[in-house]
Amino acid sequence: SQTIHQWPATLVQPVGSPLSLECTVEGTSNPNLYWYRQAAGRGLQLLFYSVGIGQISSEVPQNLSASRPQDRQFILSSKKLLLSDSGFYLCAWKVGGTDTQYFGPGTRLTVL
Amino acid sequence: GESVGLHLPTLSVQEGDNSIINCAYSNSASDYFIWYKQESGKGPQFIIDIRSNMDKRQGQRVTVLLNKTVKHLSLQIAATQPGDSAVYFCAENRAAGNNRKLIWGLGTSLAVNP
Repeated sequence: SQTIHQWPATLVQPVGSPLSLECTVEGTSNPNLYWYRQAAGRGLQLLFYSVGIGQISSEVPQNLSASRPQDRQFILSSKKLLLSDSGFYLCAWKVGGTDTQYFGPGTRLTVL
Repeated sequence: GESVGLHLPTLSVQEGDNSIINCAYSNSASDYFIWYKQESGKGPQFIIDIRSNMDKRQGQRVTVLLNKTVKHLSLQIAATQPGDSAVYFCAENRAAGNNRKLIWGLGTSLAVNP
């Protein structure tokens, strides 16, 4: 069966520090991968998605970036965090050509 | 603009009662709809889906109804239990260029009273 992992689970970072969040998927090949951000008590905002290694599409301009160095690895990065980057970051995957996305456990990021 | 929204931001029900969570969508081109459950501090969990060629689909204790005429989607939970307390999101899937894109609703918080 397929599983999706995210780490770290929680992170507290100072403003201006770098960020690296990692997401990996097991049990499938060539998944579509997604990064979402969720503010407290709010819905999901799509940040990036990838349909293959090295292929990244950005949905919202911001100081975050994403990379997909391996088939089942998706990384969310920032060079300098802002206070507004605080939130719950969710990684999701789906089989290409299908519709249902499956989510990881999330990373709670607090920028102070 | 196009959006998926929810009629009720919060819903409180008694344990054992049936719950109905509603969702409106505005794009008639959407052809696939999904309900997710998100418990506090966790990622959304797939509950049930329905394609636009169907009006109703049933799962274990859950039923999704789709009314394309009024662009309305509902999630019915039978015999609601305390473990059903969560935020419920509807999402619609539609073609966006060469890709298909999930458009998310705002979420409804369901509180189950013992």
